Amino acid sequence: SYELTQPPSVSVSPGQTASITCSGDMLAVQYTSWYQKKPGQSPVLVMYQDTKRPSGIPERFSGSNSGNTATLTISGTQTMDEADYYCQAWDSRTAVVFGGGTKLTVL
Amino acid sequence: QVQLVESGGGVVKPGRSLRLSCAASGFSVYSYGIHWVRQAPGKGLEWVAVIWYDGSQEYYADSVKGRFIISRDNSRSMVYLQMDSLRAEDTAIYYCAKDQAVAGNRLDAFDIWGQGTMVTVSS
Repeated sequence: SYELTQPPSVSVSPGQTASITCSGDMLAVQYTSWYQKKPGQSPVLVMYQDTKRPSGIPERFSGSNSGNTATLTISGTQTMDEADYYCQAWDSRTAVVFGGGTKLTVL
Repeated sequence: QVQLVESGGGVVKPGRSLRLSCAASGFSVYSYGIHWVRQAPGKGLEWVAVIWYDGSQEYYADSVKGRFIISRDNSRSMVYLQMDSLRAEDTAIYYCAKDQAVAGNRLDAFDIWGQGTMVTVSS
C-alpha cells in the first residue's frame, strides 16, 4: 500500500513562515489535500487539489506540489495556527491515504 | 446548514459488534461519497472506508477489511458503519466526512466533517 511521509514536528516563530512537507510516490499523479486538526475538534480542510484554498481559510495558507512532494506553507504564522496537519491523497487502488501528521508548534 | 452528525459509539467488548450512524443534512447527500475516518488516542488520522454517492462502490482500509461494512440509505440521508469482530485497536473517535467530488468516478478532499463518536473496545 502507498504511504505518505510527513515530518513529525515543525516549529516556527509567530509571524514567520512554516512549511510542512508530504512525500509519496502517489503524489506525482494524484492531488494532495491538507487538514488542520486541533485537540478536541474535528479536522478542517485547509487545502485541496494541491493549491486550492477552501472558502474561509485565510490567505496565509498556500499549497504546492513538486513531483513526489507536496508542501503546505503558512505565511505569517499565527498562534491560532498551532495544530496537527495531515496530508491526504487517493488513488484507484488504495483509495485514501493519510500522512502520519505534523505537529506545528508556534513559539 | 450543511452538517454531518455521528451516533452509535460506546463501550463494547472485544469480538462484539457496533453500528455507527452518520446523519447528513443541508446538502444532497445522494450526490456525494461519504467516508469514515478514525483517530485512536494519541495517534493520527486513519482512513477507514468510503462509499460512493450511489452506493455502487465501497473501499476499505486493510486494517478493517472483512470486519467492517459501510452502507448508505440516500432516502434517509444516512450512512452507516457496521463494525464486527471489534478489537482493542479499533478504539478511536470515528468521524464521517463528506467527499467534495460530485457524483463522479473519483474522490477528492473531505470538505465537511462530523463531530465524531467515540468507540471503546475493552473487556
